[in-house]
Amino acid sequence: DVKVTQSSRYLVKRTGEKVFLECVQDMDHENMFWYRQDPGLGLRLIYFSYDVKMKEKGDIPEGYSVSREKKERFSLILESASTNQTSMYLCASTPGNEQFFGPGTRLTVL
Amino acid sequence: AQSVTQLDSQVPVFEEAPVELRCNYSSSVSVYLFWYVQYPNQGLQLLLKYLSGSTLVKGINGFEAEFNKSQTSFHLRKPSVHISDTAEYFCAVSMEYGNKLVFGAGTILRVKS
Repeated sequence: DVKVTQSSRYLVKRTGEKVFLECVQDMDHENMFWYRQDPGLGLRLIYFSYDVKMKEKGDIPEGYSVSREKKERFSLILESASTNQTSMYLCASTPGNEQFFGPGTRLTVL
Repeated sequence: AQSVTQLDSQVPVFEEAPVELRCNYSSSVSVYLFWYVQYPNQGLQLLLKYLSGSTLVKGINGFEAEFNKSQTSFHLRKPSVHISDTAEYFCAVSMEYGNKLVFGAGTILRVKS
């Protein structure tokens, strides 16, 4: 079975803190994605990556950056967390035909 | 740009009744279509997908969906729902194989006894 893991299920941070969300997949997938999920808005793509050290902006990249130093790991970085970044963050990976999702990280920024 | 519209934000239904969750998309090119389910406090799980071929697609847990190109729709159906089907369902579209997905806003299915 494909496994996508995320470093934390719940995270509470303060405004202005730097936040790292980690995602690891164990199936050698090349493509990885970060989404945020908000009620009534569905999932919106923040960033994605097709290969190591490659990244592309999604639909809502402002306030976020990413890092992909190894194929299996894709990190989402909030350089200076703000309250409007309180959300559920979902990571996904794909070999090409369907995306496999992690369990999500519910981030609260106070 | 692609977009996905899920016409109902919530669908209440009694157990063993049939259900249809509606999804329309906008795209001028061929697309790949997906339905995902999210149970409480979990990530998304693929229910079914349309890549090509037969327009009637069967998925897990007794769900099926029909691709209608002329109406740009991909509605999800189940003939008899169970309490355990209570979850949020997301329709998604992709223009390229392996590329990013565009999601609808989601439909919460509430199955009542």
